[in-house]
Amino acid sequence: GQQLNQSPQSMFIQEGEDVSMNCTSSSIFNTWLWYKQDPGEGPVLLIALYKAGELTSNGRLTAQFGITRKDSFLNISASIPSDVGIYFCAGQLPAGTALIFGKGTTLSVSS
Amino acid sequence: DTGVSQDPRHKITKRGQNVTFRCDPISEHNRLYWYRQTLGQGPEFLTYFQNEAQLEKSRLLSDRFSAERPKGSFSTLEIQRTEQGDSAMYLCASSRTGGLYNEQFFGPGTRLTVL
Repeated sequence: GQQLNQSPQSMFIQEGEDVSMNCTSSSIFNTWLWYKQDPGEGPVLLIALYKAGELTSNGRLTAQFGITRKDSFLNISASIPSDVGIYFCAGQLPAGTALIFGKGTTLSVSS
Repeated sequence: DTGVSQDPRHKITKRGQNVTFRCDPISEHNRLYWYRQTLGQGPEFLTYFQNEAQLEKSRLLSDRFSAERPKGSFSTLEIQRTEQGDSAMYLCASSRTGGLYNEQFFGPGTRLTVL
């Protein structure tokens, strides 16, 4: 099925560093969502974006809905060990209800 | 306020057996979704309900798969004659209906292993 291009695939960083990841698509999306998933658990919603150009923060997390509506990025500032996990972007097409997911970015944080 | 719950969390079965999973959505949400996630991939959409009506099915949902939401509350996903390729995490999500703010919230998933 259709998937988003999410990068990087994995990141290994030191505690306290900032992190940036992004997603791109060939299709225009009405909604971009960012989720975090821990092993053996379901994805947990972090940030939802609804308008092109929108910049939204949730604590140390900041995400933006790209102007072209075909991309989004997520930044994590001052990373901590509990930020470890897999981060997924998900988009929703204008006429759709199903979410289309990227393949995820695996984040490892060393203290 | 309880989140989405799924039962069982883990299921091991032999090839050819039938399995059934249950999902209980967030109480005020009338949309319910099923996704499947395999190792190293993001979740992939299977089907969704608005109240008791099944409104969309993915081509991933083969004839061996059937989902129901008889009273517009909980939902079940049944897989008949399981195959090893059915091994995956089955995720349920729920949301409010339409509108701008209809984020999908996921349950913990059911991990299926077909031997």
